[in-house]
Amino acid sequence: GDSVTQMEGPVTLSEEAFLTINCTYTATGYPSLFWYVQYPGEGLQLLLKATKADDKGSNKGFEATYRKETTSFHLEKGSVQVSDSAVYFCALRSQAGTALIFGKGTTLSVSS
Amino acid sequence: DARVTQTPRDKVTEMGQEVTMRCQPILGHNTVFWYRQTMMQGLELLAYFRNRAPLDDSGMPKDRFSAEMPDATLATLKIQPSEPRDSAVYFCASGLGGGGNYNEQFFGPGTRLTVL
Repeated sequence: GDSVTQMEGPVTLSEEAFLTINCTYTATGYPSLFWYVQYPGEGLQLLLKATKADDKGSNKGFEATYRKETTSFHLEKGSVQVSDSAVYFCALRSQAGTALIFGKGTTLSVSS
Repeated sequence: DARVTQTPRDKVTEMGQEVTMRCQPILGHNTVFWYRQTMMQGLELLAYFRNRAPLDDSGMPKDRFSAEMPDATLATLKIQPSEPRDSAVYFCASGLGGGGNYNEQFFGPGTRLTVL
């Protein structure tokens, strides 16, 4: 079945460092891909999405590019802030589906 | 500012007790999802509804869990009897869907359930 694998955390960075969180997926056809962020004590919020190959999703300085050839959707940010500390989830929605399939989540901790 | 609301935010109960969690989707959203989050399994889909009809509840243990939408403004998830392994955070999400279109799922703050 469809699945999402993302890098294990926690990821610990200093403010202004470069961030990469790897995400790969297994799915038939052409799924839509998402990154969600969860701040402490809150529900998940959509960070960005891409619905077809080579699409780049971006929001709040974060970017991810849908790579069909490598089945990847890595999250990047050029300069992280303390306020980016959260848990990040990669997710997919299959071509024929409605519900999301999530990765296990990666905890990011940014210190000043 | 439209939001998904969930009650209670925290629930501690003893094994064998009935637990009911409630969700109010964003007004106008026709699709409601229930997810469970645990450290071991991550986020798992339990069930979802469209236009109040259950479309998929394959992720839900049928013997003890039940999900309903009595009306368009209320979704419930019930566990009877509860067991310690049900301890988790339960999220409700709502969105607009159908007709081949997909829109963002908006998540509630979750209900943290602890079964002793």
